[in-house]
Amino acid sequence: ETGVTQSPTHLIKTRGQQVTLRCSSQSGHNTVSWYQQALGQGPQFIFQYYREEENGRGNFPPRFSGLQFPNYSSELNVNALELDDSALYLCASSFDRNTEAFFGQGTRLTVV
Amino acid sequence: AQSVTQLGSHVSVSEGALVLLRCNYSSSVPPYLFWYVQYPNQGLQLLLKYTSAATLVKGINGFEAEFKKSETSFHLTKPSAHMSDAAEYFCAVRTDNAGNMLTFGGGTRLMVKP
Repeated sequence: ETGVTQSPTHLIKTRGQQVTLRCSSQSGHNTVSWYQQALGQGPQFIFQYYREEENGRGNFPPRFSGLQFPNYSSELNVNALELDDSALYLCASSFDRNTEAFFGQGTRLTVV
Repeated sequence: AQSVTQLGSHVSVSEGALVLLRCNYSSSVPPYLFWYVQYPNQGLQLLLKYTSAATLVKGINGFEAEFKKSETSFHLTKPSAHMSDAAEYFCAVRTDNAGNMLTFGGGTRLMVKP
């Protein structure tokens, strides 16, 4: 059984660019959540996908968007990158919407 | 809306000493509470969770936490610190009708002195 995997592990983007982060959920899991963790802070909930539909959203602007695919893997897209978007982006998958979330290692995004 | 406050952004203990990391929450409905650990450059690992069963919850690596409704607290303890416990610890709350939307505290960095 493989765990939650995220790619890439690190990337550097320029302000104004767009970025796509990817997450493969743990085998058998149909729910994926995304979190942003700024340096020195706790993670903040971005949104959750359940069976390919957005199932909840935190206080993030529309330029943060996502997708979940039929195999339950997921993407996080961020448009018009800002310097404050620099953070560790964590993906978590769970067997169902209300069960324990398992986190991946994260993608470290640096916006310059 | 729920929130989590972790008192003490940094806690330092000697190896073998008691570890106490504090967490207070606010929630308008009965909460589910979690403690996660994060090692440098890694994701979050679940230590333990409270889901309205026993108020004293035992987790991995010798950690435990007690849910106290009257104090709205869920403090994390370990009787004897080990060097490998040095990490960042996060308390989180989830309301049972909010899917997996976790609200995290700001974290406490635990340092263990030899």
